[in-house]
Amino acid sequence: QVQLQQSGAELVKPGTSVKLSCKASGYTFTSNHMNWIKQTTGQGLEWIGIINPGSGGTSYNVKFKGKATLTVDKSSSTAFMQLSSLTPEDSAVYYCARENWEGGYFDYWGQGVMVTVSS
Amino acid sequence: DIVMTQGALPNPVPSGESASITCQSSKSLLHSNGKTYLNWYLQRPGQSPQFLIYWMSTRASGVSDRFSGSGSGTDFTLKISRVEAEDVGVYYCQQDLEFPRTFGAGTKLELK
Repeated sequence: QVQLQQSGAELVKPGTSVKLSCKASGYTFTSNHMNWIKQTTGQGLEWIGIINPGSGGTSYNVKFKGKATLTVDKSSSTAFMQLSSLTPEDSAVYYCARENWEGGYFDYWGQGVMVTVSS
Repeated sequence: DIVMTQGALPNPVPSGESASITCQSSKSLLHSNGKTYLNWYLQRPGQSPQFLIYWMSTRASGVSDRFSGSGSGTDFTLKISRVEAEDVGVYYCQQDLEFPRTFGAGTKLELK
């Protein structure tokens, strides 16, 4: 069965970076694009960007360009998102979500990882 | 960006009754291929969102037929028939016509 296993919660200091992981299993990793989504109480669900695990090609929400960098490691079927120059506004739950090959809907989601930015 | 606007429910909803959740998009989501690129998700308390409906009205595999999606190019409805305890949570609409993908703010369903 398809599973997306995300890394654990992070408590990080302002101005630093953090790299989140999302390990995929139960399907061919390069067959589906992977998305990253931010959830906060105030802003709801925000789409950050998408990566094609086969080619490494990416597309970002303009709002997150320069903030988020998406990469993959095909050998371990793992997607990564690095968040840089962290501020308290980056505190949120971050999800990875697989995009169905038929269309841009997210058919499987990771369990989410809470990132807290605090000094 | 396409703005997605969701309506509120007159909570709580009595168990066994129907509930309809509305969603409106700032741009038509009807593609020239005839598909309407509107999806619905449910986020139960403490869980990740789960996929319910795609292309406005097609249920995901395993989703109860109590859930049905309908609409036009810009106005959409998710109807839940015979509401049950497991339906409680926040429902989100999302467009995948174009980038950036955008979500509605969510509609909370509570049970009486």
